[in-house]
Parts: sequence; structure tokens; C-alpha cells
Amino acid sequence: ETGVTQSPTHLIKTRGQQVTLRCSSQSGHNTVSWYQQALGQGPQFIFQYYREEENGRGNFPPRFSGLQFPNYSSELNVNALELDDSALYLCASSQTGLLTNSPLHFGNGTRLTVT
Amino acid sequence: DAKTTQPNSMESNEEEPVHLPCNHSTISGTDYIHWYRQLPSQGPEYVIHGLTSNVNNRMASLAIAEDRKSSTLILHRATLRDAAVYYCIRNSGAGSYQLTFGKGTKLSVIP
Repeated sequence: ETGVTQSPTHLIKTRGQQVTLRCSSQSGHNTVSWYQQALGQGPQFIFQYYREEENGRGNFPPRFSGLQFPNYSSELNVNALELDDSALYLCASSQTGLLTNSPLHFGNGTRLTVT
Repeated sequence: DAKTTQPNSMESNEEEPVHLPCNHSTISGTDYIHWYRQLPSQGPEYVIHGLTSNVNNRMASLAIAEDRKSSTLILHRATLRDAAVYYCIRNSGAGSYQLTFGKGTKLSVIP
């Protein structure tokens, strides 16, 4: 069973630039969600994708956007980067269902530094 | 609003049991209690979850109070590899994966 993989592991960008982070879901999982984790804080929910549609969003501005592909892999895009966007970005996948409460499986994240 | 309250830090001696408390006094009847842990330089890892009854798995046990306003994660024999930040989270379930993490409890294990 292949776990959740994220790329790249580390990234340095300049304020104002755009960035794309990638995530491969665990085999058999059809739901993916993204979290932002600032240093010393718990992860904060950004959004969730199911069947290629966004179906849940946290308190993040529209410059945070995403995609989910037919193979359930996903991208997180951030435009007009700000210094406060520096964080660990975590992808998590799960097998959703109407009556399940399936646990999330997280990747090890992408460390983004904005200078 | 994390909606759960945990101690900032705890210490345990290696090979002793550890009881990590969590208060969730405003929990609704359909909210599950999930526990995740995060080792240094890794993403969070699922530990256990439950609704009303106590739960056991190979990693830990979860004891849920009868009124469901609190719960305790029990590690039966702490090892150095259990040193991590432990998060207690309420989850409304039914396909909702918008987990609200607080700051968690940082567990230190003393050899």
C-alpha cells in the first residue's frame, strides 16, 4: 500500500510569485484535503476535494486554489505569495463514504519559505 | 476555535503508561473524537477514534467519559518513538474532513 506522497519536500519562493504543490493520494482514496501548518501551530484546514470538485473550504483567500485529477492526485496553487504563507503544507487523503468516519492519511508535507 | 482543550505538555518515563487528557465540553451527539499525533518533521498520523464506547487498537486505547465531555488517550507502555505532539479533535463525520486542530499536547518520553 503506497502512502500519501508530496512534492517537492522543500521550496523557496519570493513574495509575489506563484507556487504549485503536488500530492499523490494513498491507493484507493478518493478524497483529498490540504492543510497549512505554521511553525509551532496545529494544521489549519484549507480545502477538500471529492470527485474533482471542491466541497469544503476553510478561512483562506481565493488566491489559494486547488485541483483534483481523475486519478485522485491533487495540486495546491497559491498566487501572489506573501511572507505569512511560509509554512508546512500538508496533504491528506481518505476514502469517504456516507456513513463512515474514515481517518485521514497525511503526507510529510512541503516546507514553503517565502522571502 | 479548536473546540477541545489539552495540556500544552506532558512527560512520561519510558515503558510506563501515559494518559493524555482532552476536554470537549460542547461536543454534539454526532461528533466523533479523533486522535492524531505528529512526530518531528513528519505529517500527522492517525492514532484512534471513537464515538461513545471505549476503543482499543494496536497503538493505543481511547477512554470516553460517559457524558462525552472528555476523553483520555492511553499509551500502555511509552517508548521513545512515542515522543510527539498529540492532537485531540472533534469531527462531525459523515464525509467531513475539515478537522480543527488545536496546539495539541507535546509528549516527552524520558529514557
